[in-house]
Amino acid sequence: NAGVTQTPKFRVLKTGQSMTLLCAQDMNHEYMYWYRQDPGMGLRLIHYSVGEGTTAKGEVPDGYNVSRLKKQNFLLGLESAAPSQTSVYFCASSYYPQEAQPQHFGDGTRLSIL
Amino acid sequence: GIQVEQSPPDLILQEGANSTLRCNFSDSVNNLQWFHQNPWGQLINLFYIPSGTKQNGRLSATTVATERYSLLYISSSQTTDSGVYFCAVERDRGSTLGRLYFGRGTQLTVWP
Repeated sequence: NAGVTQTPKFRVLKTGQSMTLLCAQDMNHEYMYWYRQDPGMGLRLIHYSVGEGTTAKGEVPDGYNVSRLKKQNFLLGLESAAPSQTSVYFCASSYYPQEAQPQHFGDGTRLSIL
Repeated sequence: GIQVEQSPPDLILQEGANSTLRCNFSDSVNNLQWFHQNPWGQLINLFYIPSGTKQNGRLSATTVATERYSLLYISSSQTTDSGVYFCAVERDRGSTLGRLYFGRGTQLTVWP
């Protein structure tokens, strides 16, 4: 049982390049989330999904897009990377929040934009 | 959203000492989690504790939901306890259901 798996673990991009971060979970969770963590800060929500085919904006969505074509996968895209997007990105998943279940986190992706 | 405040922001201990970390939050919650972020950046889920008290080895946590705070106790601290401890909460109603709000964390350093 792998839990929540993020790929890649590290990536360096040049300003203006695009890339996609992949999150996969094998727990049959309905909800999935993308957070970013900046130095000295807690995690902030970028986008989330309440089920296959759905997405919604979080606290800091600008510059990112997401897709949830399959229940087990949640993709985070950067269309034109900017240095301000240098951060550590965490994916999480959970059952229905109404059932008050904990969120399970991946190990993070360190992304540097030069 | 919901405000989450953690204290102290930094804590330095000698190995073997005990400590208490605090998390205050501004609204009623149905989810509260304590995490330890290790030096490799991994978030380790310590407790899921929206109310009540739980213990896991040298660590224990108490959440008093009616008074909107949670405490994390670390007893007989070890150098491996070093890292950042985060509290995260989820509101129990409204459009933010399912969204975790994180505090800024407590940076714990344990010296041998």
